[in-house]
Amino acid sequence: RKEVEQDPGPFNVPEGATVAFNCTYSNSASQSFFWYRQDCRKEPKLLMSVYSSGNEDGRFTAQLNRASQYISLLIRDSKLSDSATYLCVVMQGNQFYFGTGTSLTVIP
Amino acid sequence: DAGITQSPRHKVTETGTPVTLRCHQTENHRYMYWYRQDPGHGLRLIHYSYGVKDTDKGEVSDGYSVSRSKTEDFLLTLESATSSQTSVYFCAIGGTDTQYFGPGTRLTVL
Repeated sequence: RKEVEQDPGPFNVPEGATVAFNCTYSNSASQSFFWYRQDCRKEPKLLMSVYSSGNEDGRFTAQLNRASQYISLLIRDSKLSDSATYLCVVMQGNQFYFGTGTSLTVIP
Repeated sequence: DAGITQSPRHKVTETGTPVTLRCHQTENHRYMYWYRQDPGHGLRLIHYSYGVKDTDKGEVSDGYSVSRSKTEDFLLTLESATSSQTSVYFCAIGGTDTQYFGPGTRLTVL
């Protein structure tokens, strides 16, 4: 069983749309949670950390449900520049576990 | 951006040859990591280091070795490259808060 599971998509949405990505993790002892963004043929970059209380950064909102072992990312008012692969990441001890990523394409 | 560089950025080699990839950081981070990224698998940890000369295995360590003789450098060696090691290799630095990635090395083993 994979440590982190994501719907690979692809998600194709029009500009201005709201889109949500979900992720589940298998180890209840996981300590920290993140969303990373990866552009084609580039390195992953931190988008935001995810906290139990939920957190927001501009158009992006992340949520964590520890009881259900579920993480979400909501993108409002999608821009063309949001097109990328979004990676769900879970930390256990000093190791990070990555989902396979969800592909998003924002269409003009 | 975190100061992480990887070399070479691209390499084509033949089956059976040894290959060494280098990761260099200027951030003085204690932890350094090597991952490989393949379609359908996401990023998988090969080895990591928690200090000079202190390393440990990750999920997919078979066929790879690492060395860290200085804080700033973390080397990944493929002892005898195989076609299954064709991949994109990313180095990362960081700790318990987050990780920052280098630009990656695209390795092709023919």
